[in-house]
Amino acid sequence: EAGVAQSPRYKIIEKRQSVAFWCNPISGHATLYWYQQILGQGPKLLIQFQNNGVVDDSQLPKDRFSAERLKGVDSTLKIQPAKLEDSAVYLCASSLGGYTDTQYFGPGTRLTVL
Amino acid sequence: AQSVAQPEDQVNVAEGNPLTVKCTYSVSGNPYLFWYVQYPNRGLQFLLKYITGDNLVKGSYGFEAEFNKSQTSFHLKKPSALVSDSALYFCAVRVLPLYNFNKFYFGSGTKLNVKP
Repeated sequence: EAGVAQSPRYKIIEKRQSVAFWCNPISGHATLYWYQQILGQGPKLLIQFQNNGVVDDSQLPKDRFSAERLKGVDSTLKIQPAKLEDSAVYLCASSLGGYTDTQYFGPGTRLTVL
Repeated sequence: AQSVAQPEDQVNVAEGNPLTVKCTYSVSGNPYLFWYVQYPNRGLQFLLKYITGDNLVKGSYGFEAEFNKSQTSFHLKKPSALVSDSALYFCAVRVLPLYNFNKFYFGSGTKLNVKP
């Protein structure tokens, strides 16, 4: 089966610019996650969707980050305006939705903010 | 607070020798434990998980992990390391807190270097 798809793979922007990332989860997966992975650290959950709804966005910097998952499938994560400290890899993952289900990750988008 | 710790930033092992990558956790309630591997410029790949049952879990690429409830550990092991096992390994734990849907916590990662 096809895995989690993400685009773009790399993005370089100037600070204060805007950027958007796209994720297409594995077909049939109800739960979708966005993680931020700063170099040398483990992934940090930004937001979790269950179908269309947000179930956890407690670590999402809502003054600049936003995310949506239309029709319970694809998702976009946006940063506006970007800061230098947003430089990281943004990982999308999906799972069937049960408590014990495995998360499957996409290849990530590496963002560099200059 | 819920957390997972990987006490070693880096583990070095010679090819053919056994390897162990350590993970300890601190959660309230029953943990669901996972191991992932990350190769350069790639996303995380699932290796194995412990949900319930047998404390020794077998996963992909010859890896296994042992759940030890008394020591709150979930160490990753492999009897004979390969150079191709060199990568970044992450332990993760999922818990079911009272008021949230669920939480998934990752450790900081351990870089495994397998030398020929």
